Amino acid sequence: GAVVSQHPSRVICKSGTSVKIECRSLDFQATTMFWYRQFPKKSLMLMATSNEGSKATYEQGVEKDKFLINHASLTLSTLTVTSAHPEDSSFYICSARERLARDTQYFGPGTRLTVL
Amino acid sequence: AQSVAQPEDQVNVAEGNPLTVKCTYSVSGNPYLFWYVQYPNRGLQFLLKYITGDNLVKGSYGFEAEFNKSQTSFHLKKPSALVSDSALYFCAVRDMNPQIYNQGGKLIFGQGTELSVKP
Repeated sequence: GAVVSQHPSRVICKSGTSVKIECRSLDFQATTMFWYRQFPKKSLMLMATSNEGSKATYEQGVEKDKFLINHASLTLSTLTVTSAHPEDSSFYICSARERLARDTQYFGPGTRLTVL
Repeated sequence: AQSVAQPEDQVNVAEGNPLTVKCTYSVSGNPYLFWYVQYPNRGLQFLLKYITGDNLVKGSYGFEAEFNKSQTSFHLKKPSALVSDSALYFCAVRDMNPQIYNQGGKLIFGQGTELSVKP
């Protein structure tokens, strides 16, 4: 089956630093990748959608200068949380989908970010 | 507007009994419907999807779901629950109306239902 990996699985950083999270589709080419944020026992909040080779589309209320997304290849997308603050602490999940609309969206295992 | 509703925050079932997790949706075009399961501190795992065809869809781990167009529902079911089925379940829909899909084809998620199966 399709596998999406995320790295790191857990990161603790100091306030004001930047953190990069990688998302890879391991056995398929992902033309579209998505980044979500999830609070405890809550649904997923879509942050942005990125298509390979083009700029990400951010959801309303998501600061694009704070959450930098790069989708440089068909198997890799990165999310960089810049100048992180404690309120950015959360569970971040990426997701990837192949070319067709009917294709299933597969999710990574998530990254737990804690900002001290 | 597109939306997905999971009316129950929590469902409690005894092991061996059948389980149902409810989901209703609202889209402007044809829906693509999905169920995902999430275990603690993990990402979402795909269970099953409905695109077209037979209204009864079979998925992973013995789960199935029935698409009901008239009731705009896509309830998840399993004939005999296991303790290991305890997890958070999400229903999701992708609206295939071209005007909506061209905005990115994103999934709209329900708020999630926590399933607890007791021995």
